Amino acid sequence: DAKTTQPPSMDCAEGRAANLPCNHSTISGNEYVYWYRQIHSQGPQYIIHGLKNNETNEMASLIITEDRKSSTLILPHATLRDTAVYYCIVIRDNYGQNFVFGPGTRLSVLP
Amino acid sequence: DAGITQSPRHKVTETGTPVTLRCHQTENHRYMYWYRQDPGHGLRLIHYSYGVKDTDKGEVSDGYSVSRSKTEDFLLTLESATSSQTSVYFCAISEMPNVLTFGAGSRLTVL
Repeated sequence: DAKTTQPPSMDCAEGRAANLPCNHSTISGNEYVYWYRQIHSQGPQYIIHGLKNNETNEMASLIITEDRKSSTLILPHATLRDTAVYYCIVIRDNYGQNFVFGPGTRLSVLP
Repeated sequence: DAGITQSPRHKVTETGTPVTLRCHQTENHRYMYWYRQDPGHGLRLIHYSYGVKDTDKGEVSDGYSVSRSKTEDFLLTLESATSSQTSVYFCAISEMPNVLTFGAGSRLTVL
């Protein structure tokens, strides 16, 4: 499974869009991009995933570049409750056996 | 988290004693997982199950055993706890590939 690179930390002002980048330059054609987040001391929470098209749900949008070597998770109107560690994971379509959570990006939403 | 319950949530035990953590789900999901989370190591998969009585090892399975006699319950056992097994343990369930729902975690301290 492809390795991902994320910035260790980011800040965002409350009410503004938070754009979290992820590089996955070695991604294969059958690998998906998944995003999870972990709010302090809680279990990780699934946010969104995609293969090559941009995706949007009630939580966030996922923008994948045309060459699929990078992606951006967008939280359109960040709130203080969005402060968390965000994990970008690239993986084939299986059932979590190889789900590896790296260090992620610590997003701090500031008032 | 709705549909998945871990017990106990906190436990302190002594080296050499057996410990069992329980994960209970009400979602009837086929797949269940046990992860541990430690500072500097992120989340690491211990064992997973793909059905009743069907289990397999993850990345850090040494010193742990699991059992799944019913769809709803996945037990993690430390036969003889060691201080290196002090950690936060998360259970997760899934029905869709790679979309995991995590429990609230069980904090285990081995003295």
